[in-house]
Amino acid sequence: DTAVSQTPKYLVTQMGNDKSIKCEQNLGHDTMYWYKQDSKKFLKIMFSYNNKELIINETVPNRFSPKSPDKAHLNLHINSLELGDSAVYFCASSLQLSGGEQYFGPGTRLTVT
Amino acid sequence: AQSVTQLGSHVSVSEGALVLLRCNYSSSVPPYLFWYVQYPNQGLQLLLKYTSAATLVKGINGFEAEFKKSETSFHLTKPSAHMSDAAEYFCAVSLLNQGGKLIFGQGTELSVKP
Repeated sequence: DTAVSQTPKYLVTQMGNDKSIKCEQNLGHDTMYWYKQDSKKFLKIMFSYNNKELIINETVPNRFSPKSPDKAHLNLHINSLELGDSAVYFCASSLQLSGGEQYFGPGTRLTVT
Repeated sequence: AQSVTQLGSHVSVSEGALVLLRCNYSSSVPPYLFWYVQYPNQGLQLLLKYTSAATLVKGINGFEAEFKKSETSFHLTKPSAHMSDAAEYFCAVSLLNQGGKLIFGQGTELSVKP
């Protein structure tokens, strides 16, 4: 059983399109996250949710809208995609909001052409 | 603001040699510290974590790290490198009341020569 899963694994789309990435965790964790890894492999937090409530929005453009229908899911919708959005997006989850280790999904490689 | 610096974006060792990956952090309060490994085209896997218990932390795959408050360091070591250790390694810090976010270093790519 995969602990944190993401779909799709690869996403190729054109500028201006809208796309979504889905994330599910079966660990029973309360907290979920989205991270962005750029072409230089630098990882940066985008959002964190705790019990479906937004905790962190790390100065992410409004075109990015996370949605958490329940504690096990955190989806990421991106409007009007831009070239600079090309990256690998990782979902993660943790048991608690602070101090606990985070479990990462396999990543979604988004390529905007 | 807290930050993490990993010295050396690329480290190359011979198989069987000591692995030393350096990590320094800056934080005004005691942090939680982590090392993650990323194999090509995969997600991040936790190697080990420091959460204010023992300063010498043992992790998976023979890795360990020592928290040195005076040096604000959390270097990762492994006595004998294996070919399968070739990967990208990330040091990360997390603080209480920061929404759980991990702040990552820039990563160190470890190459292992036969």
